[in-house]
Amino acid sequence: QVQLVQSGAEVKKPGSSVKVSCKASGGTFSSYTISWVRQAPGQGLEWMGRIIPILGIANYAQKFQGRVTITADKSTSTAYMELSSLRSEDTAVYYCARTYMTTVTPHFDLWGRGTLVTVSS
Amino acid sequence: DIQMTQSPSSLSASVGDRVTITCRASQSISSYLNWYQQKPGKAPKLLIYAASSLQSGVPSRFSGSGSGTDFTLTISSLQPEDFATYYCQQSYSTFTFGPGTKVDIK
Repeated sequence: QVQLVQSGAEVKKPGSSVKVSCKASGGTFSSYTISWVRQAPGQGLEWMGRIIPILGIANYAQKFQGRVTITADKSTSTAYMELSSLRSEDTAVYYCARTYMTTVTPHFDLWGRGTLVTVSS
Repeated sequence: DIQMTQSPSSLSASVGDRVTITCRASQSISSYLNWYQQKPGKAPKLLIYAASSLQSGVPSRFSGSGSGTDFTLTISSLQPEDFATYYCQQSYSTFTFGPGTKVDIK
């Protein structure tokens, strides 16, 4: 049973960066894209971007362009999301989620448990 | 960008009730519409994809319908474990989630 295992909670200072990992345990990324979705406290879900790990191609939501970088290491089946220039509004739970690449209508069928990132001085 | 709206934003219902949640897209998205359930402190869970296809393992009391701009999620007989927040998501052009509908106990 494949699981997406995310790294642990982080506390960061404003202006710094955070890098969150997402490892496919029990499987690989070979047929999937990995998206990152965040959820601020008490708020809804916000898609940040995605990567096709076998190609290393990423695209991002316009809101996060220039501030987020999504990468993947095929050898370890691990995806990463790095967010820079952190501010208090970036305090949120960050989720990774899987989409099967050849599905006609993309959907997130598997999610990580989430990583809480707290931005505080 | 495609915007998604949901109504109502919250509702109170009893076990056994039929519940309907509506999702609207700002432009036609064909059937590129998914529904997720999220419980407090947990990751979202896929319920319905492609507007009306039931994800494996999801109870048949959940159903989805619609195409174009207007979509519906129906729970035919609400169960105690269904009290949660429900999100629609378009996947026609990247991804956008609706603001969510919280279903709580009357």
